[in-house]
Amino acid sequence: EDQVTQSPEALRLQEGESSSLNCSYTVSGLRGLFWYRQDPGKGPEFLFTLYSAGEEKEKERLKATLTKKESFLHITAPKPEDSATYLCAVQAPGNFNKFYFGSGTKLNVKP
Amino acid sequence: DAGVTQSPTHLIKTRGQQVTLRCSPISGHKSVSWYQQVLGQGPQFIFQYYEKEERGRGNFPDRFSARQFPNYSSELNVNALLLGDSALYLCASSLQGRNTEAFFGQGTRLTVV
Repeated sequence: EDQVTQSPEALRLQEGESSSLNCSYTVSGLRGLFWYRQDPGKGPEFLFTLYSAGEEKEKERLKATLTKKESFLHITAPKPEDSATYLCAVQAPGNFNKFYFGSGTKLNVKP
Repeated sequence: DAGVTQSPTHLIKTRGQQVTLRCSPISGHKSVSWYQQVLGQGPQFIFQYYEKEERGRGNFPDRFSARQFPNYSSELNVNALLLGDSALYLCASSLQGRNTEAFFGQGTRLTVV
């Protein structure tokens, strides 16, 4: 069965301390890999889409990369407002728009 | 432009009752998907509708049903509620039926007591 695994489950950083979040997937025929940010009690907010190995996308302090089996979300010099749960999702093959989500990485950035 | 809107934002129901959740997609988007998110887990796919037809169904019991209207808004119905149905229900809007980004609403927090 297609699976998405995110690590670590939780990450505590000091403000300015860069780090990376990992998303590994086993889906066959990847159509796309998506990163979302979710604040407590809110819906996921779209960040990036990656479609092929070697692709990179950047937005402010965030940079997402993709290989054939995993994706990384690099956070450079994070700020407290970057604290959130970051979700990774892969798009299932087929004639519809179904996403498999990981359980997320809960990031806490302390000032 | 308005994003994806869901109503109500919070709901408390009793076991055995029925509930209807509503979603309005982003203007111009023709696909609506529903997801269930239990605390501490990622969202799980329930249904997708595109151009008013069901395109996909996740591994949920028949107590869950949905429909999409001519204006592309959607309703999710859950019958015979169980305590385990307590979750955040998310609606996702997409421009097309496949291979496209999904944009989520703020969700409906359903509590079954």
